[in-house]
Amino acid sequence: NAGVTQTPKFRILKIGQSMTLQCAQDMNHNYMYWYRQDPGMGLKLIYYSVGAGITDKGEVPNGYNVSRSTTEDFPLRLELAAPSQTSVYFCASSGQGDGPQHFGDGTRLSIL
Amino acid sequence: QKEVEQDPGPLSVPEGAIVSLNCTYSNSAFQYFMWYRQYSRKGPELLMYTYSSGNKEDGRFTAQVDKSSKYISLFIRDSQPSDSATYLCAMKAGGFKTIFGAGTRLFVKA
Repeated sequence: NAGVTQTPKFRILKIGQSMTLQCAQDMNHNYMYWYRQDPGMGLKLIYYSVGAGITDKGEVPNGYNVSRSTTEDFPLRLELAAPSQTSVYFCASSGQGDGPQHFGDGTRLSIL
Repeated sequence: QKEVEQDPGPLSVPEGAIVSLNCTYSNSAFQYFMWYRQYSRKGPELLMYTYSSGNKEDGRFTAQVDKSSKYISLFIRDSQPSDSATYLCAMKAGGFKTIFGAGTRLFVKA
């Protein structure tokens, strides 16, 4: 009964470093999403994917990249980390575009 | 103006109270309305998913949508300390693009 699994749960990066946030779902969902959540703000969509091999930009894609080689996995890559990328990152999936999204427990990222 | 407005709270109520959480929105094209519950250091968990106007009940939770007023509500009856969390409203016109409110923090005191 795993649902959406995100790793790591917490990470501290130095400015300019890079890292990959992992996301995996076991519900055979086609749609997957990456959001960031900042205090006092709603979830902002970074990137999304409608199926393996297909990705597209969301509302706030700058500084991030994604890939979707399998249905299950949707990693988010940060290149040249900046303090503005300090946030909580959530991965979500849905079976259909119209369906509700199911979220992982997030990765808390601090860039110092 | 934000597409979705939600009072951040915090809202503090005694155990057993009826809680009313609300969101307003500006986009008349929204048709799907959701409420998520988010515990501290956890991801949002879907509570209610409704289409168009009207009420939907699930146990102690009732979701209400008034499209004419662009206003949605979540009512929690017989509130419990375990209901203490942040509640996010969310909505969309169709497809996958979902707009989330910033969340209302709720504290239920025993």
